[in-house]
Order: sequence, then C-alpha cells, then structure tokens
Amino acid sequence: GENVEQHPSTLSVQEGDSAVIKCTYSDSASNYFPWYKQELGKGPQLIIDIRSNVGEKKDQRIAVTLNKTAKHFSLHITETQPEDSAVYFCAARTGANNLFFGTGTRLTVIP
Amino acid sequence: NAGVMQNPRHLVRRRGQEARLRCSPMKGHSHVYWYRQLPEEGLKFMVYLQKENIIDESGMPKERFSAEFPKEGPSILRIQQVVRGDSAAYFCASSLGTVRSNEQFFGPGTRLTVL
Repeated sequence: GENVEQHPSTLSVQEGDSAVIKCTYSDSASNYFPWYKQELGKGPQLIIDIRSNVGEKKDQRIAVTLNKTAKHFSLHITETQPEDSAVYFCAARTGANNLFFGTGTRLTVIP
Repeated sequence: NAGVMQNPRHLVRRRGQEARLRCSPMKGHSHVYWYRQLPEEGLKFMVYLQKENIIDESGMPKERFSAEFPKEGPSILRIQQVVRGDSAAYFCASSLGTVRSNEQFFGPGTRLTVL
C-alpha cells in the first residue's frame, strides 16, 4: 500500500516568516494530495489540495507544489500568523478511496 | 449547512464493554470513511462505506470491530469487548464520492477512553 512520510515533525517560526512542510509518497499511482490542519481537540480541516495533473496551486497565503517524478509534495505558508499554529497533515490517495496520512507537523508561530 | 456530525464527542468505557460511535455525513454525501488516530500520530484508515455497503475494510481489525451505514440513519462504528489499546480518537469523514468531487470532510471526532 501507499506510504507517506512527512517532515519535519515540529516546526517553529517567527510571525511573518514562511513555513515549509514536505511529504514523500511511495505509490506512483497516487493522484490526489490534500493537506489538513488540525487544531487541538478538533477534526482535520481541509486547507488545500492538488491533483496529479497540476504542479502548483495557490490560495492566498497557502501554496502546494507537487513533483510527480520525485514523488514529493510540499506545503508553503507565507506571512505566518499565530492562528496558523496547529498540526498539519499531508495525505495521498490512489483512486477514489481512502487517504493515507503522514505523521503530522506541529507548527508553532511565535508572536 | 451542517458539517459532518459525530457523537458522542467523548466516550468512556471499561474493559470488556461495547463502544458505539455514530457519524452523520454532510448533507448529500453518501460515502463515509472511518479513521483512527492515536496520540501524537497521523490518522489511519479503517473502513470505507457507502449506503448499505462496505466498500473497503482493509484497515479494520478482523475481530471486535464492525461498521455499518444503513439506508436510514447514521453510520455506526462498533467495538465489542474494548481493551485499553482501543483508546484513541475516531474520526469520520464523508464525501460526495464522484470522480470530480471526492474531497473528504472530517467530523470533530469521538475520543474513546478505555479504563
């Protein structure tokens, strides 16, 4: 099955700086890559996703890049704010079924 | 437009008891997924259901765990004879299930504690 690895496990940045989280996947058939933000005591919230026919996608301060050849994808958050502090999960999906999640990155934005 | 609903939010059971977790998908969604999250870990897929059908249960333990999604009512994840290792957060997600729109939206989770 699919194996998703995520780095770093923890990340601290100063408010206003950028944060980058990286993931790799193993199954070349994976074609959908969402990113979720999980705040303490809550369920994961979809923040951005990318499909395998696209190399980059941006939504305001959040962007995701995908390198199919290298089988890795990254989340970029610019101009970070304290409310961006949370645990972020990447995931990959083959076909139309279940998601395989990375182990999460705990992002702390220091005011 | 209500999102995915799960109840109870917190559930405490003693070893050997049964746990029943409920999930109501978003309006219009007919696909439901259950995931388990251990502390400080990512989510692990358990089972994928459509109305009255189990599509993929490859992530669910063979014993003590079962899931259903009846024609009417919520999806139920049932854990019989719970053990301490079952303590975790259980999340349900739902999707439209179409090729063009298969994003999964998650509920707030049920936190199961087994004493």
